[in-house]
Amino acid sequence: EAQVTQNPRYLITVTGKKLTVTCSQNMNHEYMSWYRQDPGLGLRQIYYSMNVEVTDKGDVPEGYKVSRKEKRNFPLILESPSPNQTSLYFCASSVTQGTGELFFGEGSRLTVL
Amino acid sequence: AQRVTQPEKLLSVFKGAPVELKCNYSYSGSPELFWYVQYSRQRLQLLLRHISRESIKGFTADLNKGETSFHLKKPFAQEEDSAMYYCAPPLSGGSYIPTFGRGTSLIVHP
Repeated sequence: EAQVTQNPRYLITVTGKKLTVTCSQNMNHEYMSWYRQDPGLGLRQIYYSMNVEVTDKGDVPEGYKVSRKEKRNFPLILESPSPNQTSLYFCASSVTQGTGELFFGEGSRLTVL
Repeated sequence: AQRVTQPEKLLSVFKGAPVELKCNYSYSGSPELFWYVQYSRQRLQLLLRHISRESIKGFTADLNKGETSFHLKKPFAQEEDSAMYYCAPPLSGGSYIPTFGRGTSLIVHP
């Protein structure tokens, strides 16, 4: 089944404790992206990647890192989480030449205390 | 960059009433737009795309180039339509940063 898988789905952590949210897709998509969703602010892009070893900042990259060592994986790294990073995070992927439709993961709800 | 605007944060209607969720776009070239839907506690999923001109779950969206709009409409809302709706430009077309509208929360009351 074609899908985008995120882990963990739920996480409660404390300020400053490094964490990684993994994202994996099995559709051989070149493009992958991370969004955060906050009430009243909608979806905001954090980072995106056009292909392996190619990443770029989105609208709200501060406090986050990403890597794209393999085509299927695009982890989101919070080196020193802070309470303002409490949010719902979505990973998405797509082909770069096609309909332009994004395929989303189920979301990861992160709480930073 | 391709940008869209959803002016309404919240739309509240009663079951059976018509629904129109607004989306305006502001970029040049041939626009291709999408509507995504997010039901409670679920992932975002594609609802419909302009290019296919299809109707999904009773929803339709017509591209109006004169008004630069792509409003989502349904003649008779159902309770199960309650969800968050996002308008978005496509990934392709020269921009790889599809900027979503901030979303409209649709609540359909019984």
